[in-house]
Amino acid sequence: AQSVTQLDSHVSVSEGTPVLLRCNYSSSYSPSLFWYVQHPNKGLQLLLKYTSAATLVKGINGFEAEFKKSETSFHLTKPSAHMSDAAEYFCVVSLLHTGSRALTFGSGTRLQVQP
Amino acid sequence: DTAVSQTPKYLVTQMGNDKSIKCEQNLGHDTMYWYKQDSKKFLKIMFSYNNKELIINETVPNRFSPKSPDKAHLNLHINSLELGDSAVYFCASSPSWAAGGSNEQFFGPGTRLTVL
Repeated sequence: AQSVTQLDSHVSVSEGTPVLLRCNYSSSYSPSLFWYVQHPNKGLQLLLKYTSAATLVKGINGFEAEFKKSETSFHLTKPSAHMSDAAEYFCVVSLLHTGSRALTFGSGTRLQVQP
Repeated sequence: DTAVSQTPKYLVTQMGNDKSIKCEQNLGHDTMYWYKQDSKKFLKIMFSYNNKELIINETVPNRFSPKSPDKAHLNLHINSLELGDSAVYFCASSPSWAAGGSNEQFFGPGTRLTVL
């Protein structure tokens, strides 16, 4: 079975300071890992994805994440937060080898950016 | 040029009614999905279709019936609506399993269903 744990339900940062959203995964097989963002009353947008290539993945809007197999982690970071980054962030896992191809979502981290 | 579209965006209805939500994708993907997001923002897979065939059916009440008339469309019909069905329903699509890749999924804007 696969699962995803987002360690913080809510993170608050000041504009211009670094962002760290933590995610740990559990998977018996090589996973694909994603971060999606959901702005208020909006759909889900892909920020970045890991697919067993480079362990440091760069995404849109200055976000990046590092896949650490030894720690089973895929934390999302950004050097400098912007007000527009305030949203709900989901860490997501998908198994590559299985036919189901459904995504398993973490419970989400709400990012608040203070001026 | 919307990739994945859903209609309606908002749906307010009474308990016991039957309603449908439509989803269309113009990405040429073979696989489509329905997810449910509850009031706590938790997202869970409901159904998945690959080339019009059902491949995932999670523990969803049989009041929910997906229908895929062609691989670009996956509609969700709900019978005898209950208060607990109130949620946001997201449609998504991804490239064919045979095409390999990461299973990146493209999501529609969501349909907010409110059952009174």
